[in-house]
Amino acid sequence: QKEVEQDPGPLSVPEGAIVSLNCTYSNSAFQYFMWYRQYSRKGPELLMYTYSSGNKEDGRFTAQVDKSSKYISLFIRDSQPSDSATYLCATPGGGYNKLIFGAGTRLAVHP
Amino acid sequence: GAVVSQHPSWVICKSGTSVKIECRSLDFQATTMFWYRQFPKQSLMLMATSNEGSKATYEQGVEKDKFLINHASLTLSTLTVTSAHPEDSSFYICSASPSERASNEQFFGPGTRLTVL
Repeated sequence: QKEVEQDPGPLSVPEGAIVSLNCTYSNSAFQYFMWYRQYSRKGPELLMYTYSSGNKEDGRFTAQVDKSSKYISLFIRDSQPSDSATYLCATPGGGYNKLIFGAGTRLAVHP
Repeated sequence: GAVVSQHPSWVICKSGTSVKIECRSLDFQATTMFWYRQFPKQSLMLMATSNEGSKATYEQGVEKDKFLINHASLTLSTLTVTSAHPEDSSFYICSASPSERASNEQFFGPGTRLTVL
């Protein structure tokens, strides 16, 4: 079992839809979680950084952590074509702050 | 803030030559930088952890003599691919963690696309 599991998709939604991206993790000791967005042929961009259980909101993005079920989510409201990218969840659980990444979910938002 | 740059953004070289890739943290100091490679439609694979003033720590299966890492200052780490071969063609990305922050966020560079002919 991978330490961080993420459905690679692809996920295709119409513009304006609410997108839900999810990851599960296996180690209850993981405390910090990040969501990165990566456009094709670009480096990942840090979108959200969370520590505790609950929700964190930033504009159209909401990150949710449920430590009891080891489940993390990223919600995108009013999705736009410019949101089309690969979204990676990650946690610094690899020791020495090394990040453990999910496989990444490819999202396509079509007009 | 928290900007990381890489140079070059892309490079084409002949088989057998060496290529150096620079990673700079532009507005913060980074005691630790990381080097990744990424193949098409795959997630990032950590190659090594670079620590300022000390030897890099390589992940299992990564040849340290082939991928030379030098973290000469708190804002610069370099990756040199020695005697490059076509199978080394990939997307190389670095990341850095701000030294002054207690958090463990990593900020990524834009990546370097290496093509070995």
